[in-house]
Amino acid sequence: GAVVSQHPSRVICKSGTSVKIECRSLDFQATTMFWYRQFPKKSLMLMATSNEGSKATYEQGVEKDKFLINHASLTLSTLTVTSAHPEDSSFYICSARSGTGGNEQYFGPGTRLTVT
Amino acid sequence: QKEVEQDPGPLSVPEGAIVSLNCTYSNSAFQYFMWYRQYSRKGPELLMYTYSSGNKEDGRFTAQVDKSSKYISLFIRDSQPSDSATYLCAILAGGTSYGKLTFGQGTILTVHP
Repeated sequence: GAVVSQHPSRVICKSGTSVKIECRSLDFQATTMFWYRQFPKKSLMLMATSNEGSKATYEQGVEKDKFLINHASLTLSTLTVTSAHPEDSSFYICSARSGTGGNEQYFGPGTRLTVT
Repeated sequence: QKEVEQDPGPLSVPEGAIVSLNCTYSNSAFQYFMWYRQYSRKGPELLMYTYSSGNKEDGRFTAQVDKSSKYISLFIRDSQPSDSATYLCAILAGGTSYGKLTFGQGTILTVHP
């Protein structure tokens, strides 16, 4: 199957700082990437849809100025959590959809963010 | 009513048992169906992808879709302790260019030796 990587896998930051998370599709080009947030023992909550070369589409209730998404190439999307607060601590997961028109989505391993 | 309903379990079975995981959905526009397995603190791993009613088999896994009943299932034969994980059904509406998935709540499965 297709491989999606995320970096870093874990990050601890102080309240008020910004954190950038990278999502890469390693062996395929992804025209669309998705960013999810997952709380313990809960399902995935879609935050935003990221399309290469255009602005991200955010889900209702997600602050676009706080969660900055950039999809500068067909293999890389980044999520920046700005002015992080302890309530932003969570498991952030990206997924990528192949640009060949397939409907399968492949997920990255996730990034555990802890804001102190 | 949630668009996708999945019994969260937890489900505990002995090694070698047949496991049945199920989801129901309400939106008849849903056309593509996926099952993911998620180990603790890891990203979901795609197990099965189907788009038509009927069965699809891959090794010990069988995905079943009944569009008339809006019901999907994942069967695991000869279950192993390594199958212990959370299983998520995910459904995609047809014609959606952005490919947004709607997830079930996830079922926690434990296979004990």
